[in-house]
Amino acid sequence: NAGVTQTPKFQVLKTGQSMTLQCAQDMNHNSMYWYRQDPGMGLRLIYYSASEGTTDKGEVPNGYNVSRLNKREFSLRLESAAPSQTSVYFCASSDPDRPNQPQHFGDGTRLSIL
Amino acid sequence: DQQVKQNSPSLSVQEGRISILNCDYTNSMFDYFLWYKKYPAEGPTFLISISSIKDKNEDGRFTVFLNKSAKHLSLHIVPSQPGDSAVYFCAASPNYGGATNKLIFGTGTLLAVQP
Repeated sequence: NAGVTQTPKFQVLKTGQSMTLQCAQDMNHNSMYWYRQDPGMGLRLIYYSASEGTTDKGEVPNGYNVSRLNKREFSLRLESAAPSQTSVYFCASSDPDRPNQPQHFGDGTRLSIL
Repeated sequence: DQQVKQNSPSLSVQEGRISILNCDYTNSMFDYFLWYKKYPAEGPTFLISISSIKDKNEDGRFTVFLNKSAKHLSLHIVPSQPGDSAVYFCAASPNYGGATNKLIFGTGTLLAVQP
């Protein structure tokens, strides 16, 4: 019963390198989300996908791109990593057929950019 | 501008006593509120929620209270157990009944339950 799976769990990049964070869910959820969490701050929404084929910006989208590859997978791409993007990234999913059901989170990807 | 605020970064409580975690919000459009619990190196897990049409929701040892006029909600844990030690996040959404909830999170409160 995997739920939301994120890969990799840890990554160190150099400034300017690119990277794609992967997320997959096995709960048949239509909606998926990417958040970042920084020390002393709550989770902030980067991008979300209400359903397959759609994506929208959240609170902090600059420097990121996303792809909703299919219903299961939602990836987050850093084209040119910057030290300010050092953070813990969480992917989540939710079921739109059951309104107000909570979002289910993966265990996160810890990303350090030197 | 922090729309959801958890003003206590940490809280220490004795096992068996009540833990009260507080959350304030500024946006009157929020009408769905959730509490998440997070252990180190894990993702947040849903704990309990409440909609703005209620002022209380209870689930076992966990109760959430909502005071709309004060824009304040609180999470009560009774009795507190050592396994409750974690970071607790309050979250809010303006989208009650909507399929996709864009959640706004508070900064979290670290609860330590002492045996």
